[in-house]
Amino acid sequence: DTAVSQTPKYLVTQMGNDKSIKCEQNLGHDTMYWYKQDSKKFLKIMFSYNNKELIINETVPNRFSPKSPDKAHLNLHINSLELGDSAVYFCASSQKPRDIPYGYTFGSGTRLTVV
Amino acid sequence: AQKVTQAQTEISVVEKEDVTLDCVYETRDTTYYLFWYKQPPSGELVFLIRRNSFDEQNEISGRYSWNFQKSTSSFNFTITASQVVDSAVYFCALRGSGSARQLTFGSGTQLTVLP
Repeated sequence: DTAVSQTPKYLVTQMGNDKSIKCEQNLGHDTMYWYKQDSKKFLKIMFSYNNKELIINETVPNRFSPKSPDKAHLNLHINSLELGDSAVYFCASSQKPRDIPYGYTFGSGTRLTVV
Repeated sequence: AQKVTQAQTEISVVEKEDVTLDCVYETRDTTYYLFWYKQPPSGELVFLIRRNSFDEQNEISGRYSWNFQKSTSSFNFTITASQVVDSAVYFCALRGSGSARQLTFGSGTQLTVLP
């Protein structure tokens, strides 16, 4: 069973399109995240949701909008895609501060290519 | 603000050599958590270790060992007798004790082990 699953794994789309990436976790974790990994491999937090409530919203363009219908899902919708949005997007989840030893579980990533 | 610095961008070693990956962190929290992740060419993020700030014992797991030194704010990672399969990008990460629960990642070190 996949603990944190993201779909799709690969996404190629044209500039100006709107796309969504879905994330689901079956670990019962209460916090979920979206990270962006750029071409230089740098990983940066974008959003964090705790029990469907937004707790972190880093400096991300308004074109990016997270949606959490329940605490097991955190989707990422991107409007008007730009070339610079090309990256790998990772979803992750974690427990409360009294973490289980492994703490954070990452999805396998979604490679977004904007052409 | 939290910061993680991995000064080594790329390291190349020959198989069976030992290699140490450096990690220096900054945080104002008195309680914090340090992590190492491995990202092989396949792209997923593989958890290696978590260390709490109040536990300064060094840890060894097979060929891997970690040296946590609070006095120098460092959490270095050593691979003994490196193997080609160790080739990957290695990330050091930090999480503080505040309500924001995200991991702050270093920029990663690309390790290449040559046969």
